[in-house]
Amino acid sequence: AQKVTQAQTEISVVEKEDVTLDCVYETRDTTYYLFWYKQPPSGELVFLIRRNSFDEQNEISGRYSWNFQKSTSSFNFTITASQVVDSAVYFCALRENFNKFYFGSGTKLNVKP
Amino acid sequence: AAGVIQSPRHLIKEKRETATLKCYPIPRHDTVYWYQQGPGQDPQFLISFYEKMQSDKGSIPDRFSAQQFSDYHSELNMSSLELGDSALYFCASSLGWVGAGANEQFFGPGTRLTVL
Repeated sequence: AQKVTQAQTEISVVEKEDVTLDCVYETRDTTYYLFWYKQPPSGELVFLIRRNSFDEQNEISGRYSWNFQKSTSSFNFTITASQVVDSAVYFCALRENFNKFYFGSGTKLNVKP
Repeated sequence: AAGVIQSPRHLIKEKRETATLKCYPIPRHDTVYWYQQGPGQDPQFLISFYEKMQSDKGSIPDRFSAQQFSDYHSELNMSSLELGDSALYFCASSLGWVGAGANEQFFGPGTRLTVL
């Protein structure tokens, strides 16, 4: 079974629109870590955020915000006032207590001018 | 700050050839992970090493082998290359294999392997 599900394969928005990328995870561990990475066309993985399972506080960083809800096993990512430079593939990832990363299948975000 | 270094950044090989990818972790990091990302796919875990010992194994083909050396750099050796091996190969490093330090997993820029 997929441990991390990103149901949205591709999203297209017009610049300045808000967009939310969904991430649902599955784990039996009580201690785990969730991540979001951005992968621009150049290919590198750019770290955006890390959250541990004990910290359900939502976080805002500039135009980015994250909503972590353990009750629904979701860790959603919102970009406010999207820009063309936000166009990329975004991966949600899960790391259990001590183990490798499990990546979701990614959501390709297209921001049109 | 120093980051994870991968070499080469691009590599073109022919079928049945051999390739060696190198990863130099962030200084003091003792754990290295290898991931394979096929075109349009998410990164898939291959193998990891902690203190020069294999710590975990994922979907790594038998044709591939890897090791971590005394200076903590790691090499991924790929033999009898197939067209399907064409992918972006990421290396990541962390300080420790368990605990808080292990969550600071930093990814390198990747090596793009093309098999013709």
